[in-house]
Amino acid sequence: QSVLTQPPSVSGAPGQRVTISCTGSGSDIGAGYDIHWYQQFPGTAPKLLIFGNNNRPSGVPDRFSGSKSGTSGSLAITGLQAEDEADYYCQSFVTGLSGLGVVFGGGTKVTVL
Amino acid sequence: QVQLQESGPGLVQPSQTLSLTCTVSGDSISSGDYYWSWVRQPPGQGLEWIGYIYHSGSTSYNPSLKSRVAMSIDTSKNEFSLSLTSVTAADTAVYYCARLYVCLDSWGQGTLVTVSS
Repeated sequence: QSVLTQPPSVSGAPGQRVTISCTGSGSDIGAGYDIHWYQQFPGTAPKLLIFGNNNRPSGVPDRFSGSKSGTSGSLAITGLQAEDEADYYCQSFVTGLSGLGVVFGGGTKVTVL
Repeated sequence: QVQLQESGPGLVQPSQTLSLTCTVSGDSISSGDYYWSWVRQPPGQGLEWIGYIYHSGSTSYNPSLKSRVAMSIDTSKNEFSLSLTSVTAADTAVYYCARLYVCLDSWGQGTLVTVSS
């Protein structure tokens, strides 16, 4: 079971806006740690999509955006395109007994109808 | 542009030790404030963080794996390694190495390790 909670799947028609939630707790997101998002296509490695809650690496289209509030955050895809069909993972950090740890959400499959 | 490449056996017998190496190119593993990480993904499942190591050798491991995991780093070869002992079928996964700073900004392509006799 993942530390961060994401919906297993979301879907939308081309051109629509979809959002993916990422819910944590006071030990991770709520402790002030940023949320990062990764996109993964089948058979390939995850790719950084959003870092620091709402920043896009070079080359990521501006139809992808992120936000954070309290113990949760979300990823929004506006103007959904067929090429956006993939799995999306959120990631943050948690302070543990042995130091700073990395935590992931369980992943959300985005389907373009 | 940093590149990471995992290498190691694709098949490990149950109860044995899984050993993987990640070779880094395009960046010095001992420069900067990067933490060199391992993440795995069982078939059809999500991502699981295994741990990370700093160039000084300091480490942090996932508590659920801590008793079986060890990581090391060889700055002269610009590579870092993962060792996972007493493996079972539940350890079958694609293993990724990745560079961690603010986030996991660069990933290797991943290598499938199957635990089976």
